[in-house]
Amino acid sequence: DQQVKQNSPSLSVQEGRISILNCDYTNSMFDYFLWYKKYPAEGPTFLISISSIKDKNEDGRFTVFLNKSAKHLSLHIVPSQPGDSAVYFCAAGGSNFGNEKLTFGTGTRLTIIP
Amino acid sequence: EAGVAQSPRYKIIEKRQSVAFWCNPISGHATLYWYQQILGQGPKLLIQFQNNGVVDDSQLPKDRFSAERLKGVDSTLKIQPAKLEDSAVYLCASSPFGGNSPLHFGNGTRLTVT
Repeated sequence: DQQVKQNSPSLSVQEGRISILNCDYTNSMFDYFLWYKKYPAEGPTFLISISSIKDKNEDGRFTVFLNKSAKHLSLHIVPSQPGDSAVYFCAAGGSNFGNEKLTFGTGTRLTIIP
Repeated sequence: EAGVAQSPRYKIIEKRQSVAFWCNPISGHATLYWYQQILGQGPKLLIQFQNNGVVDDSQLPKDRFSAERLKGVDSTLKIQPAKLEDSAVYLCASSPFGGNSPLHFGNGTRLTVT
């Protein structure tokens, strides 16, 4: 039962253009969402998060949008840079006190073409 | 701030052998996690510790996997005996206690079972 889905295994985007990565979830108990970025042979690193009380969160070139009714979130990167080439994981969690368990998607490999 | 340290980086063993992984979390982080990432999939939580107590081990195959976190700091994850399907990257992560704080991951241990 895949509760967090990233349906695009890969995405290629021209440098300077916008990259849009998508994520869908099925569990309505999820109330916070995160994006992680992973380079080869390294662990995932936190990129940006959003709580279910918001529908948008922005941090520099990165913006996450949340559509609760559609159970969908997306990560926008603009402008895309070569260093953004990595695997991006969407993760979701519930705010049970003391339990920060996250469920991860399968990842999307983003390639920025110079 | 020093990151999450894991060792070894790589391990190759034969099936039915045993193996152990070590993790040192970020200083002061009360919560420690072990994740398993199989090739092409997202990280899956195996076990979560709060200080030296287990919070969630519902997805840990307890017939062969064990984990401990002595004195609420370092942690070890052991597999005995290993199976071919245990081939994966084992990621350790830590976070401060409470709230929806992002996880900080180590670089992982890549295990190959032959």
